Amino acid sequence: QVHLQHWGAGLLNPSETLSLTCAVYGGSLSGYYWNWIRQPPGKALEWIGEIEHRGYTTYNPSLESRVTISVDASKNQFSLRLSSVTAADTAVYYCARGDLTMSGSFDPWGQGALVTVSS
Amino acid sequence: DVQLTQSPSFLSASVGDRVSITCRASQGIGASLGWYQQIPGKGPKLLIYDASTLQSGVPSRFSGRGSGTEFTLTISTLQPEDFATYFCQQLAFYPKTFGQGTRLDNK
Repeated sequence: QVHLQHWGAGLLNPSETLSLTCAVYGGSLSGYYWNWIRQPPGKALEWIGEIEHRGYTTYNPSLESRVTISVDASKNQFSLRLSSVTAADTAVYYCARGDLTMSGSFDPWGQGALVTVSS
Repeated sequence: DVQLTQSPSFLSASVGDRVSITCRASQGIGASLGWYQQIPGKGPKLLIYDASTLQSGVPSRFSGRGSGTEFTLTISTLQPEDFATYFCQQLAFYPKTFGQGTRLDNK
Protein backbone atom coordinates (compact mmCIF):
# COMPACT_ATOMS: atom_id res chain seq x y z
CA GLN A 1 0.00 0.00 0.00
CA VAL A 2 1.35 3.39 -0.99
CA HIS A 3 2.23 5.69 1.87
CA LEU A 4 3.38 9.31 1.73
CA GLN A 5 5.52 10.94 4.35
CA HIS A 6 6.73 14.49 4.23
CA TRP A 7 9.03 16.73 6.20
CA GLY A 8 10.45 20.24 6.26
CA ALA A 9 10.94 23.32 8.38
CA GLY A 10 7.89 24.19 10.47
CA LEU A 11 8.72 27.80 11.41
CA LEU A 12 9.85 30.44 8.96
CA ASN A 13 10.50 34.15 9.04
CA PRO A 14 8.79 36.38 6.49
CA SER A 15 10.63 36.52 3.14
CA GLU A 16 12.24 33.10 3.66
CA THR A 17 11.69 30.10 1.40
CA LEU A 18 9.43 27.24 2.47
CA SER A 19 10.84 23.83 1.59
CA LEU A 20 9.04 20.50 2.00
CA THR A 21 9.82 17.04 0.68
CA CYS A 22 7.42 14.13 0.28
CA ALA A 23 8.69 10.56 0.09
CA VAL A 24 6.64 7.86 -1.62
CA TYR A 25 6.79 4.44 0.02
CA GLY A 26 5.36 1.23 -1.39
CA GLY A 27 4.92 2.43 -4.94
CA SER A 28 6.47 4.16 -7.92
CA LEU A 29 6.28 7.76 -9.05
CA SER A 30 5.57 6.60 -12.59
CA GLY A 31 2.09 6.95 -13.98
CA TYR A 32 0.79 9.41 -11.41
CA TYR A 33 0.67 13.13 -10.71
CA TRP A 34 2.14 14.28 -7.41
CA ASN A 35 0.44 17.18 -5.74
CA TRP A 36 0.91 19.76 -3.02
CA ILE A 37 -2.10 21.20 -1.23
CA ARG A 38 -2.39 23.56 1.74
CA GLN A 39 -5.03 24.55 4.25
CA PRO A 40 -4.69 27.84 6.13
CA PRO A 41 -6.22 27.81 9.63
CA GLY A 42 -10.00 27.87 9.39
CA LYS A 43 -9.98 28.04 5.60
CA ALA A 44 -10.60 25.74 2.66
CA LEU A 45 -8.03 23.53 1.01
CA GLU A 46 -5.99 25.19 -1.74
CA TRP A 47 -4.27 23.23 -4.49
CA ILE A 48 -0.71 24.48 -4.99
CA GLY A 49 0.46 22.46 -7.95
CA GLU A 50 1.46 19.08 -9.34
CA ILE A 51 4.34 17.30 -11.02
CA GLU A 52 4.35 14.29 -13.25
CA HIS A 53 7.12 11.71 -12.80
CA ARG A 54 8.98 12.99 -15.84
CA GLY A 55 9.03 16.46 -14.35
CA TYR A 56 6.17 18.24 -16.08
CA THR A 57 4.55 20.71 -13.72
CA THR A 58 1.31 22.66 -13.44
CA TYR A 59 0.87 25.34 -10.81
CA ASN A 60 -2.00 27.30 -9.34
CA PRO A 61 -1.78 30.71 -11.05
CA SER A 62 -2.32 32.38 -7.67
CA LEU A 63 1.03 31.02 -6.47
CA GLU A 64 2.88 30.32 -9.72
CA SER A 65 5.37 33.16 -9.41
CA ARG A 66 6.68 31.79 -6.10
CA VAL A 67 6.30 28.02 -6.45
CA THR A 68 8.67 25.33 -7.66
CA ILE A 69 7.79 21.64 -7.50
CA SER A 70 10.51 19.15 -8.39
CA VAL A 71 10.91 15.39 -8.47
CA ASP A 72 13.82 13.10 -7.59
CA ALA A 73 12.99 9.74 -9.12
CA SER A 74 16.14 8.14 -7.72
CA LYS A 75 14.89 8.77 -4.19
CA ASN A 76 11.16 8.35 -4.99
CA GLN A 77 10.54 11.83 -3.65
CA PHE A 78 9.10 15.13 -4.76
CA SER A 79 9.54 18.55 -3.24
CA LEU A 80 7.90 21.95 -2.84
CA ARG A 81 9.61 25.29 -2.61
CA LEU A 82 7.64 28.48 -1.96
CA SER A 83 9.65 31.67 -1.94
CA SER A 84 9.14 35.00 -0.20
CA VAL A 85 6.69 33.64 2.35
CA THR A 86 4.41 35.87 4.41
CA ALA A 87 2.00 35.21 7.27
CA ALA A 88 -0.62 34.38 4.64
CA ASP A 89 1.38 31.26 3.79
CA THR A 90 0.85 29.85 7.29
CA ALA A 91 -1.00 26.59 6.72
CA VAL A 92 -1.00 22.83 7.01
CA TYR A 93 0.71 21.55 3.89
CA TYR A 94 -0.15 18.16 2.38
CA CYS A 95 1.29 16.05 -0.39
CA ALA A 96 -0.97 13.67 -2.30
CA ARG A 97 -0.95 11.32 -5.27
CA GLY A 98 -3.22 12.10 -8.21
CA ASP A 99 -4.54 9.05 -10.06
CA LEU A 100 -5.74 9.57 -13.63
CA THR A 101 -7.74 6.35 -13.48
CA MET A 102 -9.90 8.22 -10.97
CA SER A 103 -10.05 11.51 -12.91
CA GLY A 104 -6.97 12.61 -11.01
CA SER A 105 -8.52 12.25 -7.57
CA PHE A 106 -6.06 12.43 -4.70
CA ASP A 107 -5.28 9.20 -2.89
CA PRO A 108 -3.42 8.76 -0.64
CA TRP A 109 -2.50 11.97 1.18
CA GLY A 110 0.38 12.62 3.51
CA GLN A 111 -0.22 13.31 7.16
CA GLY A 112 0.08 17.08 6.87
CA ALA A 113 2.75 19.45 8.13
CA LEU A 114 2.04 22.76 9.84
CA VAL A 115 4.19 25.57 8.53
CA THR A 116 4.05 28.82 10.46
CA VAL A 117 5.40 32.10 9.12
CA SER A 118 6.09 34.57 11.87
CA SER A 119 8.72 37.08 12.82
CA ASP B 1 -11.46 29.26 -11.32
CA VAL B 2 -14.31 26.84 -10.71
CA GLN B 3 -15.96 27.71 -7.42
CA LEU B 4 -17.43 24.86 -5.38
CA THR B 5 -20.07 25.72 -2.81
CA GLN B 6 -20.98 23.13 -0.22
CA SER B 7 -24.15 23.13 1.83
CA PRO B 8 -24.64 23.00 4.65
CA SER B 9 -21.38 24.22 6.19
CA PHE B 10 -22.32 22.59 9.50
CA LEU B 11 -24.53 19.59 10.10
CA SER B 12 -25.59 18.09 13.41
CA ALA B 13 -26.86 14.51 13.34
CA SER B 14 -27.06 11.33 15.39
CA VAL B 15 -25.81 7.79 14.92
CA GLY B 16 -28.20 5.99 12.61
CA ASP B 17 -29.32 9.11 10.75
CA ARG B 18 -29.23 9.53 6.99
CA VAL B 19 -27.43 12.71 5.94
CA SER B 20 -26.69 14.40 2.64
CA ILE B 21 -24.23 17.10 1.64
CA THR B 22 -24.50 19.11 -1.56
CA CYS B 23 -21.69 20.53 -3.67
CA ARG B 24 -22.52 23.03 -6.42
CA ALA B 25 -20.02 24.02 -9.10
CA SER B 26 -19.92 27.47 -10.69
CA GLN B 27 -19.71 25.83 -14.13
CA GLY B 28 -20.25 22.36 -15.52
CA ILE B 29 -17.57 19.84 -14.61
CA GLY B 30 -19.11 16.66 -15.95
CA ALA B 31 -18.50 13.92 -13.40
CA SER B 32 -14.98 15.03 -12.44
CA LEU B 33 -15.71 15.37 -8.76
CA GLY B 34 -14.35 13.68 -5.67
CA TRP B 35 -15.51 13.57 -2.07
CA TYR B 36 -13.11 13.37 0.87
CA GLN B 37 -13.35 12.83 4.62
CA GLN B 38 -11.03 14.69 6.94
CA ILE B 39 -10.47 13.78 10.57
CA PRO B 40 -8.48 16.25 12.69
CA GLY B 41 -4.78 15.50 12.69
CA LYS B 42 -4.93 13.22 9.66
CA GLY B 43 -4.61 13.61 5.93
CA PRO B 44 -7.90 13.58 4.00
CA LYS B 45 -9.28 10.27 2.78
CA LEU B 46 -10.83 9.75 -0.64
CA LEU B 47 -14.38 8.39 -0.40
CA ILE B 48 -15.91 8.86 -3.86
CA TYR B 49 -14.39 9.63 -7.25
CA ASP B 50 -15.95 10.33 -10.64
CA ALA B 51 -18.92 11.72 -8.68
CA SER B 52 -20.40 8.31 -7.86
CA THR B 53 -17.71 5.61 -7.71
CA LEU B 54 -16.93 4.29 -4.26
CA GLN B 55 -13.22 4.12 -3.54
CA SER B 56 -11.95 0.67 -2.62
CA GLY B 57 -12.29 -0.06 1.08
CA VAL B 58 -14.86 2.67 1.74
CA PRO B 59 -18.05 1.41 3.42
CA SER B 60 -21.10 1.11 1.19
CA ARG B 61 -23.11 3.47 3.40
CA PHE B 62 -21.33 6.26 1.52
CA SER B 63 -22.70 7.13 -1.91
CA GLY B 64 -22.37 9.96 -4.39
CA ARG B 65 -24.48 11.20 -7.26
CA GLY B 66 -24.70 14.07 -9.67
CA SER B 67 -23.14 15.55 -12.77
CA GLY B 68 -22.65 18.93 -14.35
CA THR B 69 -23.02 21.47 -11.55
CA GLU B 70 -24.81 19.70 -8.70
CA PHE B 71 -23.51 16.81 -6.66
CA THR B 72 -24.53 15.03 -3.47
CA LEU B 73 -22.73 12.89 -0.92
CA THR B 74 -25.03 10.72 1.19
CA ILE B 75 -24.27 8.67 4.28
CA SER B 76 -27.13 6.22 4.64
CA THR B 77 -26.73 5.24 8.28
CA LEU B 78 -24.33 7.35 10.32
CA GLN B 79 -21.73 5.50 12.34
CA PRO B 80 -19.70 7.01 15.22
CA GLU B 81 -16.56 7.14 13.09
CA ASP B 82 -18.32 9.25 10.42
CA PHE B 83 -18.32 12.48 12.46
CA ALA B 84 -15.72 14.46 10.54
CA THR B 85 -15.39 17.17 7.93
CA TYR B 86 -16.29 16.40 4.32
CA PHE B 87 -15.28 18.33 1.25
CA CYS B 88 -15.64 18.07 -2.50
CA GLN B 89 -13.01 18.65 -5.17
CA GLN B 90 -13.32 19.31 -8.90
CA LEU B 91 -10.74 17.92 -11.29
CA ALA B 92 -12.18 19.04 -14.61
CA PHE B 93 -10.30 22.31 -14.85
CA TYR B 94 -7.08 23.83 -13.60
CA PRO B 95 -6.59 25.02 -10.98
CA LYS B 96 -8.09 22.09 -9.11
CA THR B 97 -10.39 23.51 -6.46
CA PHE B 98 -12.10 22.37 -3.28
CA GLY B 99 -15.33 23.17 -1.53
CA GLN B 100 -15.13 24.96 1.79
CA GLY B 101 -16.06 21.84 3.74
CA THR B 102 -19.01 20.53 5.74
CA ARG B 103 -18.45 19.74 9.38
CA LEU B 104 -20.60 16.86 10.60
CA ASP B 105 -21.07 16.89 14.38
CA ASN B 106 -22.67 14.46 16.77
CA LYS B 107 -25.97 15.93 18.00
